[in-house]
Amino acid sequence: AQSVTQLGSHVSVSEGALVLLRCNYSSSVPPYLFWYVQYPNQGLQLLLKYTSAATLVKGINGFEAEFKKSETSFHLTKPSAHMSDAAEYFCAVFTGGGNKLTFGTGTQLKVEL
Amino acid sequence: KAGVTQTPRYLIKTRGQQVTLSCSPISGHRSVSWYQQTPGQGLQFLFEYFSETQRNKGNFPGRFSGRQFSNSRSEMNVSTLELGDSALYLCASSYGGERANVLTFGAGSRLTVL
Repeated sequence: AQSVTQLGSHVSVSEGALVLLRCNYSSSVPPYLFWYVQYPNQGLQLLLKYTSAATLVKGINGFEAEFKKSETSFHLTKPSAHMSDAAEYFCAVFTGGGNKLTFGTGTQLKVEL
Repeated sequence: KAGVTQTPRYLIKTRGQQVTLSCSPISGHRSVSWYQQTPGQGLQFLFEYFSETQRNKGNFPGRFSGRQFSNSRSEMNVSTLELGDSALYLCASSYGGERANVLTFGAGSRLTVL
């Protein structure tokens, strides 16, 4: 079964610092991976997706993620954090047929002055 | 282009009652999926509908059901509500044709069961 694991339920960074949110996947087949962001009292917004094309994926708001098969990882990064990046971030993988997503447990990002 | 619309946004019910939540997908999207989000269990897949047929189902009891209409709008119903059903219910739509479709989520319906 395909699954994702997010390391660190809470991450705190200073404004302007590097953001690194970790996601490892478990899949017996090439996975389709996603990062979503959720702001308070809102739904999920797609940041970026990996579908076996380029291993370095660029998303919205300056975020990017690199697919590393050897490490079974798909970590999310942003060179310089902004206060508006404070939110909860979810890594997800397609599982089964249709459009079923399996989500990680989420990482709450806090950005401090 | 209008996004995914979920109604109602907030509702309060008591144990034993039933509730119906509605989701209007993005125009042209034929797939609608439902997810439950709770602090304890996180985001869990409920079911997916494509062209009025349930294409996928998560591991939830039969009290949770859904349907999709010919215009792709979807409803989910929870009968005999329990305290543990308190959650944010998220609907997502996509074109649904092939794998790895991007899901666009609505803002959710927050259900509180007292």
